[in-house]
Amino acid sequence: DAKTTQPPSMDCAEGRAANLPCNHSTISGNEYVYWYRQIHSQGPQYIIHGLKNNETNEMASLIITEDRKSSTLILPHATLRDTAVYYCIVRVAGGNQGGKLIFGQGTELSVKP
Amino acid sequence: GAVVSQHPSWVICKSGTSVKIECRSLDFQATTMFWYRQFPKQSLMLMATSNEGSKATYEQGVEKDKFLINHASLTLSTLTVTSAHPEDSSFYICSAQTSGSSGELFFGEGSRLTVL
Repeated sequence: DAKTTQPPSMDCAEGRAANLPCNHSTISGNEYVYWYRQIHSQGPQYIIHGLKNNETNEMASLIITEDRKSSTLILPHATLRDTAVYYCIVRVAGGNQGGKLIFGQGTELSVKP
Repeated sequence: GAVVSQHPSWVICKSGTSVKIECRSLDFQATTMFWYRQFPKQSLMLMATSNEGSKATYEQGVEKDKFLINHASLTLSTLTVTSAHPEDSSFYICSAQTSGSSGELFFGEGSRLTVL
């Protein structure tokens, strides 16, 4: 079973920041928080991941609370092409110890003009 | 990011026939690959974990004799749907894990199977 909970859907205005929350209250010390997104009829696309520090890359920022029980994915300037289902997943990372990704229901983000 | 390619991207077959789907890691070696299926309006469901040179590990409820997985090389895993039936129609997606300390997962584009 997925170890995360996300709101089923969210709307965001084009050009504004999209903040997608995720709860993972049972996360273990060696589990990372991963975010993927899936645009209709395509394979999931990796966005970002983190362990306990906040992370930023060219796509998004990931804010993880100090107790690691929740996180927020931030798309700073959402565009229409960011409309997708966003999945928050906890996973053990690293080489041969890397774990499988178990997908929950995700958040369907609709970016509107 | 790393590139994972699936082939075919879509396939239509008659009931009772077998269909093979390939998953290739194009620019890295993948000792572990994962196979998922996805029905319309639903999330991805993990079917099995494929390890190079060994038997696949299937998730509970997935018939291993129905969904044959072979991972003969570090860049190729195949999923064969045997004696396909209309209820096997689905979107099949693979992912491949890079080796090393990061062990990131990258996904293929998916293969849509329609069984008539």
